[in-house]
Amino acid sequence: AQSVAQPEDQVNVAEGNPLTVKCTYSVSGNPYLFWYVQYPNRGLQFLLKYITGDNLVKGSYGFEAEFNKSQTSFHLKKPSALVSDSALYFCAVRDITEGGANNLFFGTGTRLTVIP
Amino acid sequence: DAGVTQSPTHLIKTRGQQVTLRCSPKSGHDTVSWYQQALGQGPQFIFQYYEEEERQRGNFPDRFSGHQFPNYSSELNVNALLLGDSALYLCASSLGVGPQHFGDGTRLSIL
Repeated sequence: AQSVAQPEDQVNVAEGNPLTVKCTYSVSGNPYLFWYVQYPNRGLQFLLKYITGDNLVKGSYGFEAEFNKSQTSFHLKKPSALVSDSALYFCAVRDITEGGANNLFFGTGTRLTVIP
Repeated sequence: DAGVTQSPTHLIKTRGQQVTLRCSPKSGHDTVSWYQQALGQGPQFIFQYYEEEERQRGNFPDRFSGHQFPNYSSELNVNALLLGDSALYLCASSLGVGPQHFGDGTRLSIL
């Protein structure tokens, strides 16, 4: 079975400071990992994904994520936070069981607040 | 290029009623997935449709059913509504097993 955990319900960071949103995963094989962002009353917007290759993945809006196999983590990072980054962030893992579809298993989300 | 569109935006129903939610996938996409997002929770997978058939199903009762049409659009039907069915229902589309793109959802409230 696949699952992800987001240990922090809330992350606060000052504008201009680096931000990190944490995610750990559990899969039986190789993980396909994703980050999505959700703004109020909106659906989820895709930020980035890790399938294979470089452990540092670059995505939309200046976000990046670091895949660490030994720590089973996939933390989301940004060098300099903007007030407009304030939103709900979800980490997700894809079901890659044989014959499986590409449905996603989501964490419970982390609310990021960037303080001006 | 239109993204994933869902209708209606909001819906209010009472217990025991039935509801149908609709989704049009992003242009070029052939696979539609449905998710339920309860307040304060992450989305949970309901089922996925590909080639007009249910390809995979999450841990949801048979009250939840769906359909995919030849133009790849999809419907989610929920029968015998319960208070616990109140949630944001998200549709996501993809081309095969590529990255999923989400619509803005339908907010369903059960009274």
